[in-house]
Amino acid sequence: NAGVTQTPKFQVLKTGQSMTLQCAQDMNHEYMSWYRQDPGMGLRLIHYSVGAGITDQGEVPNGYNVSRSTTEDFPLRLLSAAPSQTSVYFCASRPGTGGYGYTFGSGTRLTVV
Amino acid sequence: AQSVSQHNHHVILSEAASLELGCNYSYGGTVNLFWYVQYPGQHLQLLLKYFSGDPLVKGIKGFEAEFIKSKFSFNLRKPSVQWSDTAEYFCAVKGYGQNFVFGPGTRLSVLP
Repeated sequence: NAGVTQTPKFQVLKTGQSMTLQCAQDMNHEYMSWYRQDPGMGLRLIHYSVGAGITDQGEVPNGYNVSRSTTEDFPLRLLSAAPSQTSVYFCASRPGTGGYGYTFGSGTRLTVV
Repeated sequence: AQSVSQHNHHVILSEAASLELGCNYSYGGTVNLFWYVQYPGQHLQLLLKYFSGDPLVKGIKGFEAEFIKSKFSFNLRKPSVQWSDTAEYFCAVKGYGQNFVFGPGTRLSVLP
């Protein structure tokens, strides 16, 4: 059981480049979310999805785009990378009901130079 | 809007000392409460959660937390910490129909 799989684990981008962070889960969870983690700020929600075809913005959505064409996959796209997007990105998923917590992926450490 | 505060940014303890990490939240309705742990270089893992019922919740690795509704608090405790408990700890709250909100985290360093 793989859980939540994120790729890549590390990435360096130049300012203005675009890229996609991949996230896949094999637990048939309805809810999926992307967080960024910055020192002293905890985790901040970027975008989330409550099911295939449904996405919504979180606390810090600017500069990011998402889509959810299947239950399993929830990629995060950086449209034009900026140094302020240097961070650790976590994808997470959870069932839609039952009060369960999130299961997190192992994270992507992104540096924008 | 929901918010979560954690009392301490960095806690330093010696092995066998008792631990209590504070967490307060602001949300007037029904909540689910969580504590996550992040070991160095790893992802967040669920320690314990409160959904309903007994306000004293026991989790993995000897951790427990008490939900005090009147104080909007969900403090994490462990009677005797080990060096392997060195990690960052995050409190999170989810109100009904709301997204998860995470606190800023508390870094715990346990000295051998």
